Amino acid sequence: GAGVSQTPSNKVTEKGKYVELRCDPISGHTALYWYRQSLGQGPEFLIYFQGTGAADDSGLPNDRFFAVRPEGSVSTLKIQRTERGDSAVYLCASSPRGGRGATQYFGPGTRLTVL
Amino acid sequence: QQQVKQSPQSLIVQKGGIPIINCAYENTAFDYFPWYQQFPGKGPALLIAIRPDVSEKKEGRFTISFNKSAKQFSLHIMDSQPGDSATYFCAASRRKLIFGQGTELSVKP
Repeated sequence: GAGVSQTPSNKVTEKGKYVELRCDPISGHTALYWYRQSLGQGPEFLIYFQGTGAADDSGLPNDRFFAVRPEGSVSTLKIQRTERGDSAVYLCASSPRGGRGATQYFGPGTRLTVL
Repeated sequence: QQQVKQSPQSLIVQKGGIPIINCAYENTAFDYFPWYQQFPGKGPALLIAIRPDVSEKKEGRFTISFNKSAKQFSLHIMDSQPGDSATYFCAASRRKLIFGQGTELSVKP
């Protein structure tokens, strides 16, 4: 079946602009995760949704970052007033049930470049 | 306590060799330890995973060894092939994944 999809695959924006990144999880997966991967580093956790609600948003770096999942399926990561330091690959993952020990399946990522 | 330390940073082996990648963690609350493989321009793909009540798990050419008392685990790739050349990440989890820094593996023909 279809895996996790993310759009756009690449996004170039200017410092100070607003961006939205979209994630379509695997159908039926109740848990959804966002991670950020800087060049040469492992992915870093941002936020975890169980259904429509954010179960853990402890990884969001500041209040410029916000994510929603209004119907418990598609999620959007929103970044306000982008900074050059926000440049990274933003990865989305989904899991059938979430919670402890749940296998997470990753999408291909969105490469964000802030000029 | 949230860190996962991974070594080496890079590794070069000949085809047929057995690369070994090591990880160490501090938080004893972690209860799930997956390994992911990532090719350039792609998202991480789950390779194999282990839970702390098991000391070893083997799937095909990939084996995880787990030492709970030392809080260490490692990935062994048997009969490595050039197609195994990729970046490998260990991770530890309760709910969210905490990743190591990655190991760039190159398998020479």
